[in-house]
Amino acid sequence: AQSVSQHNHHVILSEAASLELGCNYSYGGTVNLFWYVQYPGQHLQLLLKYFSGDPLVKGIKGFEAEFIKSKFSFNLRKPSVQWSDTAEYFCAVNPNAYDNAGNMLTFGGGTRLMVKP
Amino acid sequence: DGGITQSPKYLFRKEGQNVTLSCEQNLNHDAMYWYRQDPGQGLRLIYYSQIVNDFQKGDIAEGYSVSREKKESFPLTVTSAQKNPTAFYLCASSPRGGGYTFGSGTRLTVV
Repeated sequence: AQSVSQHNHHVILSEAASLELGCNYSYGGTVNLFWYVQYPGQHLQLLLKYFSGDPLVKGIKGFEAEFIKSKFSFNLRKPSVQWSDTAEYFCAVNPNAYDNAGNMLTFGGGTRLMVKP
Repeated sequence: DGGITQSPKYLFRKEGQNVTLSCEQNLNHDAMYWYRQDPGQGLRLIYYSQIVNDFQKGDIAEGYSVSREKKESFPLTVTSAQKNPTAFYLCASSPRGGGYTFGSGTRLTVV
């Protein structure tokens, strides 16, 4: 079945450590890719997105993600995390990238990040 | 300010009852979606609507129903046929070709 996988369910880091969260998808063809963040008690917010062009995408709050088509991956990275990055992170894929009527996203299971001060 | 409003924030339901969750958007988005969020399972699509008076089942539509009589509104009814309704429900909308804007969610608990 087509799916989106986030293999790390829980990650614990100390402040200033580097972060990489994995995301793999199983859809063939053209896709749009997203990372969302859900801070404690808040609603989901868009961190960054990839539609086309440069596979290295810069997002808000110092996050970036790299699309590697050959590996079907869209990993999220941050060079130095802060306590305020504690949140749950969701990777999402739109497998109908050329269908303007179909923006439906499929989400990964999420990764809970805890940053220790 | 434009956005999505979900109400209520918390909802308690007795077994056997139907309940309706509200979702309203003033972003002029064509598409609207309902997701269910459970710990460790991410977000799973219940129903979506790409245009007024049309909607489609998602991956876990059983026990749920929706309507899309107005562009701004996409209410979700959790029926008594839904065997495990306790969850966090998220509504989202998107323009054509764009990413989602999410509401703040409704936490439904069966008592």
